[in-house]
Amino acid sequence: GNSVTQMEGPVTLSEEAFLTINCTYTATGYPSLFWYVQYPGEGLQLLLKATKADDKGSNKGFEATYRKETTSFHLEKGSVQVSDSAVYFCALSDSNSGGYQKVTFGTGTKLQVIP
Amino acid sequence: ETGVTQTPRHLVMGMTNKKSLKCEQHLGHNAMYWYKQSAKKPLELMFVYSLEERVENNSVPSRFSPECPNSSHLFLHLHTLQPEDSALYLCASSQDPQTYTQYFGPGTRLTVL
Repeated sequence: GNSVTQMEGPVTLSEEAFLTINCTYTATGYPSLFWYVQYPGEGLQLLLKATKADDKGSNKGFEATYRKETTSFHLEKGSVQVSDSAVYFCALSDSNSGGYQKVTFGTGTKLQVIP
Repeated sequence: ETGVTQTPRHLVMGMTNKKSLKCEQHLGHNAMYWYKQSAKKPLELMFVYSLEERVENNSVPSRFSPECPNSSHLFLHLHTLQPEDSALYLCASSQDPQTYTQYFGPGTRLTVL
């Protein structure tokens, strides 16, 4: 079956530091890949997505590139802010025999940015 | 109200209680989902509804009973729960079951005593 593995947190960075959160996946088909973010007390929000190999998703200064050869989708940001403190989830989506897009999530990585 | 709303936001219940979680989406979507989020575990998909018809029941114990009376509302009825059922229960919706972008509500934090 499909699976997503992401680095365990928490990750603590100083403001303006460079961020990388690693994510690798296992899938039998050709999945779409996502990063979701969950701010304290809120539900998950889609941060960015990529639907095919070599696509780069980007949003709010975050980027991730779909690497089929390494089955990875690492999240990066050049300069983090305190407001980026949240839990980040890597996920993949693949259609299944049930006729719907089944989304498989990683366990989440908590990011804490300190001033 | 916009997006996906869930009530209550927090719920504490005993193992013999019966309670219900409510989800409402204001996005005109046709698919709705229940997920369970436990600490240090991936989100677990529990149920999928498409146009009020259940299309997935992911081996969820019968003490969880979903109901989808229309495409905007989704309920999760709870009875005889166990302490290990304590978790954050998230509702989500999407345009249709084949659309991969899901929109999540803020969740209900459930504690079973």
